[in-house]
Amino acid sequence: GQNIDQPTEMTATEGAIVQINCTYQTSGFNGLFWYQQHAGEAPTFLSYNVLDGLEEKGRFSSFLSRSKGYSYLLLKELQMKDSASYLCALNSGNTPLVFGKGTRLSVIA
Amino acid sequence: GAVVSQHPSWVICKSGTSVKIECRSLDFQATTMFWYRQFPKQSLMLMATSNEGSKATYEQGVEKDKFLINHASLTLSTLTVTSAHPEDSSFYICSARDETGVDTQYFGPGTRLTVL
Repeated sequence: GQNIDQPTEMTATEGAIVQINCTYQTSGFNGLFWYQQHAGEAPTFLSYNVLDGLEEKGRFSSFLSRSKGYSYLLLKELQMKDSASYLCALNSGNTPLVFGKGTRLSVIA
Repeated sequence: GAVVSQHPSWVICKSGTSVKIECRSLDFQATTMFWYRQFPKQSLMLMATSNEGSKATYEQGVEKDKFLINHASLTLSTLTVTSAHPEDSSFYICSARDETGVDTQYFGPGTRLTVL
């Protein structure tokens, strides 16, 4: 089976940097997704990591370590609009994706 | 990224009626689509996997006779909530699997169903 853990809530200040961690256990691994979900809206795709290392995409970066079963999403220059839930999702090769419960990020002034 | 649409965006219906929700992949073909349900402040819950040209695969506890899924083409899946009741009121979200290039799932914007 698969298991995903991520913090339930985080708070950070506008303009700061925040790192949202995700740890997972799985028997099969194809890749790891990060999605952003604003309240009342559907998730939107942020990143997909297949290989170890850091992938940067503007203010957002995602890191993966397959040997440690660990990923993080790094958000820089935080803006108020970044307040949302961030979902870590595992592609274990068996569709469908397995989602974590999400981390609710609050950005404060 | 790829675009997935859902229709309607929101619907209000009377108890006992049926509601059909459409999910379309607009710029790619999707042999596999997924239907999720999300209650307020809760996680996404996978209801079923919709396979083009074959029967859907339902998650444990999801009534297949109540939530009818039809995936008749590579760009369209429909979810019909039959004999809806107030407890079926929720946010229904579809996603479509894009297997071209990076194997990714893209979500539709969701349909908010309110059953009176």
